[in-house]
Amino acid sequence: DTGVSQNPRHKITKRGQNVTFRCDPISEHNRLYWYRQTLGQGPEFLTYFQNEAQLEKSRLLSDRFSAERPKGSFSTLEIQRTEQGDSAMYLCASSLRGGAGEQYFGPGTRLTVT
Amino acid sequence: AQSVTQLDSQVPVFEEAPVELRCNYSSSVSVYLFWYVQYPNQGLQLLLKYLSGSTLVKGINGFEAEFNKSQTSFHLRKPSVHISDTAEYFCAVVGGTSYGKLTFGQGTILTVHP
Repeated sequence: DTGVSQNPRHKITKRGQNVTFRCDPISEHNRLYWYRQTLGQGPEFLTYFQNEAQLEKSRLLSDRFSAERPKGSFSTLEIQRTEQGDSAMYLCASSLRGGAGEQYFGPGTRLTVT
Repeated sequence: AQSVTQLDSQVPVFEEAPVELRCNYSSSVSVYLFWYVQYPNQGLQLLLKYLSGSTLVKGINGFEAEFNKSQTSFHLRKPSVHISDTAEYFCAVVGGTSYGKLTFGQGTILTVHP
């Protein structure tokens, strides 16, 4: 069990550029979640995958955001035409089962949009 | 839908003193309750969870929490804190019939002074 990994850990980009983040979950976990955390707030749910199927997207996730999990393993989160309001920590978590299943979090990717 | 309110944004305390971090939730369905800890520049780590059964739940690092259904609370306690407990603590809830989407409170920063 090597834990959940996220890359890059930090990303600075100019407004209007596209960025992509990667999450590698714990290998046997079939559930994968993305959350966004802004300064002074708790994480907010963005989207959820069970295997390769994206089963729910938050209304927070505008059309500029897209997430994939092509083979039910790693996942990517892309933000197109970044805005300053996208600056946040993006957290990925995985779990073996839903409901009460413990979610294991990665260290996050901190995005700064200048 | 669920919501979580953490009643204190910051809690300063001296080393070896007891501490209580307060959490209230609202939900129209049965819930599972969690406390997570976040150290600087790290992801979230699960401290403890309440699923069912005994209302007093014990977790890692000497923390415990009590589920009170009538008051819709899930307060976190530790009888004697250490400097190393300095971190941000998040209360979270999952709707009992959901796939595991966590709804977090705003967080409480616990600062332990020598």
